[in-house]
Amino acid sequence: AQSVTQLDSHVSVSEGTPVLLRCNYSSSYSPSLFWYVQHPNKGLQLLLKYTSAATLVKGINGFEAEFKKSETSFHLTKPSAHMSDAAEYFCVVSGFGGGYNKLIFGAGTRLAVHP
Amino acid sequence: NAGVTQTPKFRILKIGQSMTLQCTQDMNHNYMYWYRQDPGMGLKLIYYSVGAGITDKGEVPNGYNVSRSTTEDFPLRLELAAPSQTSVYFCASSVDSSNQPQHFGDGTRLSIL
Repeated sequence: AQSVTQLDSHVSVSEGTPVLLRCNYSSSYSPSLFWYVQHPNKGLQLLLKYTSAATLVKGINGFEAEFKKSETSFHLTKPSAHMSDAAEYFCVVSGFGGGYNKLIFGAGTRLAVHP
Repeated sequence: NAGVTQTPKFRILKIGQSMTLQCTQDMNHNYMYWYRQDPGMGLKLIYYSVGAGITDKGEVPNGYNVSRSTTEDFPLRLELAAPSQTSVYFCASSVDSSNQPQHFGDGTRLSIL
């Protein structure tokens, strides 16, 4: 069975400083992993995905994530936060469940960016 | 480029009322999904469909029904609204059952009073 744990429910950074959002996963086989972002009153937007190719994955808006199998982690980083990055971020693991693309969502990390 | 469109965006219902949440996508995706998002939680799958005429239950189907008569549309029906169904509902679609990402609508915020 797959599961996802986002280690921080809230993260607060200053504009221009690095961002680290932590995610650990559990899967009985090689998973596909995603990070989605949700801005207020909006749907979820895909930031990046890992599907067993390169372990360092680059996404949109300067975000990237590194898949570490030995640590079962998929942390999201960005070198320099921007005010527009303030949002809710979801780490998601994908697996097959009865013939469909079953997504298991973490509980989310709310990122606040201060001037 | 519309993607996944959900209507209405907001709705308040009284206990016992019924309503249909609409979802349509213009990407010709075979797979469609309904999720609910409760405060401080990730998304939970209610129902999904792998193609027109085929639907199946997700994790939390009780109190809901769906239909899929066309590739584009996947409405979600609440027959007897209960306060526990107060939530934000998201519709999503994907190309197939591989590890392609799902595309989400902007959500319907539903309150049952």
